Amino acid sequence: SQKIEQNSEALNIQEGKTATLTCNYTNYSPAYLQWYRQDPGRGPVFLLLIRENEKEKRKERLKVTFDTTLKQSLFHITASQPADSATYLCALYNAGNNRKLIWGLGTSLAVNP
Amino acid sequence: NAGVTQTPKFRVLKTGQSMTLLCAQDMNHEYMYWYRQDPGMGLRLIHYSVGEGTTAKGEVPDGYNVSRLKKQNFLLGLESAAPSQTSVYFCASSNHPGLHPTGELFFGEGSRLTVL
Repeated sequence: SQKIEQNSEALNIQEGKTATLTCNYTNYSPAYLQWYRQDPGRGPVFLLLIRENEKEKRKERLKVTFDTTLKQSLFHITASQPADSATYLCALYNAGNNRKLIWGLGTSLAVNP
Repeated sequence: NAGVTQTPKFRVLKTGQSMTLLCAQDMNHEYMYWYRQDPGMGLRLIHYSVGEGTTAKGEVPDGYNVSRLKKQNFLLGLESAAPSQTSVYFCASSNHPGLHPTGELFFGEGSRLTVL
């Protein structure tokens, strides 16, 4: 079956450490993958997009990797801050026969001061 | 910049009542989308529009109707609300083409709907 999975358990880390969030998928042919941030009671906010032929993308303290062999994307926040606390969603665009954008459930990140 | 604005932010309905959610964007985007977000489920696409005067069904269109009479507005209607439509509804827009966006989506703040 097709599915996209993110860490279901909340991630708690200490300020200044690197947070690493995982997005795994099975039985999809992704053309690209996006990462969004969602704060409680707010809409998702776009962070980064990485295409299937890209290994890594960076934006300030954020880094995304995409391994189509492992069927996995990793999202890193370096030098994390309490303000980074939020839920992070991954969204995969399936380029196969059933073209659509599939969303993960998100991983909650708490950065403790 | 307002971006994507949704109204109302909260609404409580009784089963069988009708209502309309309004989405307005000021970015001149061609593409607009309505999603619902429920606990334990990822965002699911209800309907979308690729331009003024056009609409199309997404993954979960049943029980909803939409209209895009003006480029900046995308309306989501519930003709006869059911408890299963209790959810948080998000409108999004994009300036990228395709059935689904190849670039970023801009989301509104959400409309929380409860159907009793």
